[in-house]
Amino acid sequence: DQQVKQNSPSLSVQEGRISILNCDYTNSMFDYFLWYKKYPAEGPTFLISISSIKDKNEDGRFTVFLNKSAKHLSLHIVPSQPGDSAVYFCAATRHDYKLSFGAGTTVTVRA
Amino acid sequence: DADVTQTPRNRITKTGKRIMLECSQTKGHDRMYWYRQDPGLGLRLIYYSFDVKDINKGEISDGYSVSRQAQAKFSLSLESAIPNQTALYFCATSEKTVGTDTQYFGPGTRLTVL
Repeated sequence: DQQVKQNSPSLSVQEGRISILNCDYTNSMFDYFLWYKKYPAEGPTFLISISSIKDKNEDGRFTVFLNKSAKHLSLHIVPSQPGDSAVYFCAATRHDYKLSFGAGTTVTVRA
Repeated sequence: DADVTQTPRNRITKTGKRIMLECSQTKGHDRMYWYRQDPGLGLRLIYYSFDVKDINKGEISDGYSVSRQAQAKFSLSLESAIPNQTALYFCATSEKTVGTDTQYFGPGTRLTVL
């Protein structure tokens, strides 16, 4: 049973606009959340994370928002660039090494 | 040079064959992991190792075995491959920190079992 769900398999956005990727989780014990980015023929690379004691974490163009009551997090990319076209995985953990991953969302940034 | 390498990158094999996937890292990390990725399911943990003498099963270890030959090497074996083991396999490493480790992934091995 998947504990982390990314219900949108794909997202298409125009260059310069905002990309919003969503992730829901079911396990209330999760206390740390991560986003990984994956290009074709490469492994996932860490992008940004957030602890459950925060509701927002920002790193340049990337911002992650956490809504614990709704068990929902989102990743905002502003502005979207062609190099952002990739698969994005949401992951959650109980502050240890075991990551539970979502199925991924494929983002395509159109020129 | 890549910090985490996997060999082979692609492999096609037949049902019943034994196959080994290899992972090497130059990051000096103690912790190593094997995941598989299937369409619509994300990455799932097969095995993990916190040091050379410490091997642990993940959530989907049936049909797989591992060997930690050295700090830098962690191999995954399929003793008798079956078609539902067709997947993309990733090795990852991490360094123990306070809180959650950041995991660094290799480029993946695409395995097809006919």
